[in-house]
Amino acid sequence: DVKVTQSSRYLVKRTGEKVFLECVQDMDHENMFWYRQDPGLGLRLIYFSYDVKMKEKGDIPEGYSVSREKKERFSLILESASTNQTSMYLCASRPPLTGKAGNTIYFGEGSWLTVV
Amino acid sequence: AQTVTQSQPEMSVQEAETVTLSCTYDTSESDYYLFWYKQPPSRQMILVIRQEAYKQQNATENRFSVNFQKAAKSFSLKISDSQLGDAAMYFCAYRPSYGGATNKLIFGTGTLLAVQP
Repeated sequence: DVKVTQSSRYLVKRTGEKVFLECVQDMDHENMFWYRQDPGLGLRLIYFSYDVKMKEKGDIPEGYSVSREKKERFSLILESASTNQTSMYLCASRPPLTGKAGNTIYFGEGSWLTVV
Repeated sequence: AQTVTQSQPEMSVQEAETVTLSCTYDTSESDYYLFWYKQPPSRQMILVIRQEAYKQQNATENRFSVNFQKAAKSFSLKISDSQLGDAAMYFCAYRPSYGGATNKLIFGTGTLLAVQP
């Protein structure tokens, strides 16, 4: 089974702190994603990466950056956390879009971030 | 712009009964994929069922089936013989088949399903 692991399930950070959310997948997937989940808004894509050192902005990239130095690891960075970034963050990975397996995206368990 | 709408924020069903969750979407594409994802409380989101738009036949996975109406841009999920373990947030999602946006899944706002014993 594919495993997507988010190292921190619950974090509390102060306004202005730099925050790292780490995600690791064990299936050699090229594509990795960071979503933000908020009540009434569903999941919104922050950034995605289709290869090592490659990244593309999603729908809400402002206030975030990402890093993908190794294929299995995709990090989300909040350079200066703000209270409006309090949310649940979901990491996901997916194989290339060839064949039916490429349709399936696998999610981590989520990281609950509270910024005070 | 492509959008996915789930108009039912919350639903409730009795154990062993059938429930239908609604989803509509808007797109100008002719080829795309539609998905239903389940997110149990404090657990990972998992894929429930997938539908390719070019297939007329509705997808079925055990107790889960969809009613895909391409012309109406409607994609509802039917859960038969509901079980307590079906209680979760359900998300409808859309992805076009081609072009630079192929990496992007577009999600609805979710429907929280409660199952009453």
